[in-house]
Amino acid sequence: DTAVSQTPKYLVTQMGNDKSIKCEQNLGHDTMYWYKQDSKKFLKIMFSYNNKELIINETVPNRFSPKSPDKAHLNLHINSLELGDSAVYFCASSQFQGSNSPLHFGNGTRLTVT
Amino acid sequence: TQLLEQSPQFLSIQEGENLTVYCNSSSVFSSLQWYRQEPGEGPVLLVTVVTGGEVKKLKRLTFQFGDARKDSSLHITAAQPGDTGLYLCAGADTGNQFYFGTGTSLTVIP
Repeated sequence: DTAVSQTPKYLVTQMGNDKSIKCEQNLGHDTMYWYKQDSKKFLKIMFSYNNKELIINETVPNRFSPKSPDKAHLNLHINSLELGDSAVYFCASSQFQGSNSPLHFGNGTRLTVT
Repeated sequence: TQLLEQSPQFLSIQEGENLTVYCNSSSVFSSLQWYRQEPGEGPVLLVTVVTGGEVKKLKRLTFQFGDARKDSSLHITAAQPGDTGLYLCAGADTGNQFYFGTGTSLTVIP
């Protein structure tokens, strides 16, 4: 059983398009996240949701908007895609928002903008 | 944004050798986690260290949290090809936000 699943695995699109990445966790966790991993493998947090409320919003362009219909889902919608948005996007969850609560990651969505 | 520098960035060793990966920062963290990431997959948690000076062992892997809780190390004894992967440290600040390190890509040659 996949704990954190995200779709699609690969996404190739042209500049200016709008796309969404879906994420679901079946762990019953309270907190979900979106991370961006660049070409140098650096992993940076984008958003954090705790019980459907946004609690962290790092400095990301407002073209990126997280949507959480319920505690088990956190989708990422991206408007007007740019070349620099190309990266691997990871969804993650944790049982609660705490320094001792490990992150459980999905397998990533590789976004390529042409 | 907190910065965690990992060294070395790349490491290629022969099977059976020992190695140490370092994770350093000028910031104090309430806890520090180590993850391993394999190609095409997300990072997977290896260990969490909380107390300054804490040492944890996971089979051939030994993790240490610095006394001042600003740095950590990961030591692997008798490396095996299955240890190959990207090792990431992640520090939690007082707001429980995790900041990831710059990563160490390890290749163990059979």
